[in-house]
Amino acid sequence: DTEVTQTPKHLVMGMTNKKSLKCEQHMGHRAMYWYKQKAKKPPELMFVYSYEKLSINESVPSRFSPECPNSSLLNLHLHALQPEDSALYLCASSYLGLAGGGYYNEQFFGPGTRLTVL
Amino acid sequence: QKEVEQDPGPLSVPEGAIVSLNCTYSNSAFQYFMWYRQYSRKGPELLMYTYSSGNKEDGRFTAQVDKSSKYISLFIRDSQPSDSATYLCAMSAVGGTSYGKLTFGQGTILTVHP
Repeated sequence: DTEVTQTPKHLVMGMTNKKSLKCEQHMGHRAMYWYKQKAKKPPELMFVYSYEKLSINESVPSRFSPECPNSSLLNLHLHALQPEDSALYLCASSYLGLAGGGYYNEQFFGPGTRLTVL
Repeated sequence: QKEVEQDPGPLSVPEGAIVSLNCTYSNSAFQYFMWYRQYSRKGPELLMYTYSSGNKEDGRFTAQVDKSSKYISLFIRDSQPSDSATYLCAMSAVGGTSYGKLTFGQGTILTVHP
C-alpha cells in the first residue's frame, strides 16, 4: 500500500462550526505533515509530526489543531475558521532518518481536502 | 529574493516535444531535490528524488542537479497530453530544524497539446 488517503474530499463549513480532517497511511512512515495550498501557489507547511509528536508548527493560528493518535493517523481539527482559510489541505508522510547512506525526505502526498469556509 | 525560483510559465508545447523545467536556488544547505507533478485539484505526486549532482533517469523523465550552479532541471521526453499539469520543484536541507521541511518553487504550468 503506497497511498495516503484523506477524508473528506470536500468540506463546506460556517465560521462557527467545528470539523475535522483525517489522513491515513499504511506505509510505515513515522513522519506526517499538514500543508495548506491556495490556488496557483505551492503547498505551505503547517505542521510536522515525528514519531507521533509535534516537531514543527509553522506559527499556525490556534483555530487549527493537529492530532496524531497513532503512527498511521493524522487529524486536523478546525474551529472558528475564517473565509481566507478556504484552501486545499494536503496531508503527506515520509520515512525518517538515515539508511543506506541516504536521507529519507521523500514526502508522499494525499489527494487533499478542499475546504470552503462560508 | 526567494530561496527557490521557478518560472511559472505557462509553458505550451506540442505532443512529442522535449520539455525542460528548471529551478534555481540560493540556499547552499539544500541537499535533497524533488520534482512533483500536480494535476488540477489533486495532491502533488512525487516524480523524481535525488540527493547528488548529476542525472537520474526514470522512463521519459530525467532529473538533473548541478549543485555548483545551484540549478536543477527536469526533462520530459516525448511529452504526452497526459503530462499537462503543474510541476513543482522542492528541496530540503539536512537535519536540525530543517528536518522535514520542503521548500517549493512556485510551480510551472505545462500544457502539451495534441
